[in-house]
Formats: sequence, C-alpha cells, structure tokens
Amino acid sequence: TQLLEQSPQFLSIQEGENLTVYCNSSSVFSSLQWYRQEPGEGPVLLVTVVTGGEVKKLKRLTFQFGDARKDSSLHITAAQPGDTGLYLCAGVNSGYSTLTFGKGTMLLVSP
Amino acid sequence: GAVVSQHPSWVICKSGTSVKIECRSLDFQATTMFWYRQFPKQSLMLMATSNEGSKATYEQGVEKDKFLINHASLTLSTLTVTSAHPEDSSFYICSAEPSGSSYEQYFGPGTRLTVT
Repeated sequence: TQLLEQSPQFLSIQEGENLTVYCNSSSVFSSLQWYRQEPGEGPVLLVTVVTGGEVKKLKRLTFQFGDARKDSSLHITAAQPGDTGLYLCAGVNSGYSTLTFGKGTMLLVSP
Repeated sequence: GAVVSQHPSWVICKSGTSVKIECRSLDFQATTMFWYRQFPKQSLMLMATSNEGSKATYEQGVEKDKFLINHASLTLSTLTVTSAHPEDSSFYICSAEPSGSSYEQYFGPGTRLTVT
C-alpha cells in the first residue's frame, strides 16, 4: 500500500508569513498533484509535477518534486487569508488512474 | 471547461433507507469516474472506480452490495447507499477522468449525507 504523509497537519499563521507544507512517501509515484479544498466543496487541482527535481510556480505558490519522485513540497510566500483551506497532495499510481491522497494540511491564515 | 456536478449537494435520510447520489460531467465525456468518501477533517479515501458499461472496481474494505455504483453513460455515474446507517454519514465526492486522458481527474463539489 502506497502511503503519503503530509506535515504539518495543521498550520495557523498571520497574513504575510511564509510557510512550507511537505508530502513524503516511501514509494515512487509517476507524478504528484497538489489540491486545495475549501469546507463543503470538492478539491481543486493546483498543479501536477511529473519530473524528479521539477519546480513549478503558481503566483505565490512554489511546488517542488523530489529528485527520487517520492516527496514534494509546497511553499507559499506572503500568505493571505484567501489561502486558507485544506491542502492535499496526491500521488498518481503508475499504470493506473487512481490517486492516493495524503491526509492533508489544514492552513488558517489570519488577517 | 471540465465541470463536474453532484446531486444532491446534501441529503438527510432515515436509517434503513437508500440514497442515490448522481455525478455528472457537464462538458466532457468520462469513461472513468471515481467515488471518494471524506470524514470531517480527514482526507479523501477512494471507495471505487466506476467504468462506463462495466462493473465498478471497489477498494478493499468497501462493501459493493452496500454502495451500488452504476455508470450507464459517459457523463453520469450514480452511487446508491443502500440500507443507510448513521455510520454512513459522510461527505461523498466524485471525480471524472476525461475520456482519452490519463491521470487527470476533475472533482465534483461533494454530497453531504446525514443518516439519522
């Protein structure tokens, strides 16, 4: 069974601070995705990283895929209250279409 | 584009009754759809993979006779929770994979089921 561990599980910060969320696994994934989910809604895809060592930027969000394709990180610069939500990483299982989700990081950004 | 809808968005039912949840891909065809379950403050757990025109593939520990899945068209999959019990109360989310694509899923907004 492939497992994804996310840390921290919960993060409460002030507006303007920087933060990093980690997603680690002992398994190799063909690619890894990051989602953001707001209460009572479905997850929304933020990014897919495919190549080991890949770095992708989405405005104030920076995503990195580890060289061995087992881990990933999400860095948010100058967090804003609108960034509040549950951030989920999901590993794409090679050869299948299924996703394995991490437990998520609940981010709360206070004004 | 790539919008997935679910109906109903929330439902309350009595213990012992059955509830049907619909998942529709509105602007694309989806050969494969997925059903997830999410408990409060927890992550999504894949319940089953629904393939158009064939039987669904259930994850280990998910009772196929309790969670009936039908994927009769390329834009609609349904999940029926039969003989619901309070422990079935959860947030059910579907996703749809556009036909011809791989590893690309679009999620619906979820259905909140409360069994009393």
